[in-house]
Amino acid sequence: GDSVTQMEGPVTLSEEAFLTINCTYTATGYPSLFWYVQYPGEGLQLLLKATKADDKGSNKGFEATYRKETTSFHLEKGSVQVSDSAVYFCALSSPTSYGKLTFGQGTILTVHP
Amino acid sequence: DGGITQSPKYLFRKEGQNVTLSCEQNLNHDAMYWYRQDPGQGLRLIYYSQIVNDFQKGDIAEGYSVSREKKESFPLTVTSAQKNPTAFYLCASNGRGAGELFFGEGSRLTVL
Repeated sequence: GDSVTQMEGPVTLSEEAFLTINCTYTATGYPSLFWYVQYPGEGLQLLLKATKADDKGSNKGFEATYRKETTSFHLEKGSVQVSDSAVYFCALSSPTSYGKLTFGQGTILTVHP
Repeated sequence: DGGITQSPKYLFRKEGQNVTLSCEQNLNHDAMYWYRQDPGQGLRLIYYSQIVNDFQKGDIAEGYSVSREKKESFPLTVTSAQKNPTAFYLCASNGRGAGELFFGEGSRLTVL
C-alpha cells in the first residue's frame, strides 16, 4: 500500500537558518505529493504541492521538488523565521485513492530568535 | 467567508458513552473526510464521503460511525466500542484538485 516516511523530529533551528525536512514515499502509479503545515492548536493548511515528476512546488519561501527516481519530496527553506514554527506533514494522493491522502508522521519544527 | 466548522473544540467523555463530533462546511464541496491525529503517528483516515448519502470506511473505522444526509454536514460518532478514543479529530473537505484538502480546526476528545 501507499506510505510516506518523514525524517524524525523535532527539528530546532535558529532564525535565518536553512531548513530541510526529508520525505520519501511508496506508491503505486504516479501520485501527487503535498506538504501541509499545522500551527499550534489549529487544523492543517496546504503549503505546497506537485503533481508530476520534476515539478517544483513553492509557497511562502518553502520549496519541494518531486523526484521520481529517488521517490522523494524534501521540503526546504533558505531562511526560517520564528513564525515558521509548526508541524509539517508530507502526504500523497494516488490516482486511484479518490482524493484520499496518506500522511507521514509529521515533523515538529521550532525556530528560536 | 467559506470554511469548515468543527464543534465542540474540546470534549470530555466518560467511558461507555457515545459522543458525536460536528463538521459543517459552506464550501459547496462534495467530498468530506474524518481523520484522527495522535502524537507521532500523523493523520489516519477514519471515514470519507464523496457524495451525499454515501460514505466509505477508511483505515481505522472500527468504533466509529458517520452519516451524510446533507452536503454541508458530516458528523462523526465515537462509540463506546472505540477502545482508545482520546485523540484530536480533524474534518476536511475537497472540492478542488485531488489531495487539496481544507481542514477544520479540530476537536480534541478526552476520555476520563
